[in-house]
Amino acid sequence: DIQMTQSPSSVSASVGDRVIITCRASQGISSTLDWYQQKPGEAPKLLIYGASTLQSGVPSRFSGDGSGTDFTLTISSLQPEDFATYYCQQAHGFPLTFGGGTKVEIK
Amino acid sequence: EIQLAESGGGLVQPGGSLRLSCAASGFTFSSYSMYWVRQAPGKGLEWISSISGDDYYIYYADSVRGRFTISRDNTKQSVYLQMHSLRADDTAVYYCTRDLTVRGGGFDPWGQGTLVTVSS
Repeated sequence: DIQMTQSPSSVSASVGDRVIITCRASQGISSTLDWYQQKPGEAPKLLIYGASTLQSGVPSRFSGDGSGTDFTLTISSLQPEDFATYYCQQAHGFPLTFGGGTKVEIK
Repeated sequence: EIQLAESGGGLVQPGGSLRLSCAASGFTFSSYSMYWVRQAPGKGLEWISSISGDDYYIYYADSVRGRFTISRDNTKQSVYLQMHSLRADDTAVYYCTRDLTVRGGGFDPWGQGTLVTVSS
């Protein structure tokens, strides 16, 4: 199975900060990596697919990069509505696996 | 509008069974693989099962293989998850989702989820 390791597990940041979340796969997965945002009590929301393609309607302050085993999700200027938990997920093969999540909290 | 709506969750005793349903609308259901993803209270996301549009390809996580069965009825635009031999660690919100496009592209949209609680 492909293990997905996210870091940090949590981060405290202020509005306007740049936040970078990393995701590492235990083996190469090309660009088959997706990112989700989840707020308390809500279903996850797709932010980025194929490692770097922004889903329709997602603000451009979100961006994704990487291929192979190392990936990043960047929020260029954190907004109040961005405080949430973020998950990466590999779609390279079954079983599909998620990272453990990164909680972005208000500083 | 593309919508997914889960139902069938509830309280069940350990060892019991439950059948979840997910009703889809707003898209050509038979063209899309469908997925079940769960989230235990306070925990992360866990993919548990997938079924292709023609139900030819079916996959399970090790944690549920042999106890859960995924199926679909394209005439009713619905996907199901039959769960047997339920355990306390199956307690979770169960989400239904699909690929963004027929070629993949991440899970989108998601249903609102249905809570399964396994407890005596």
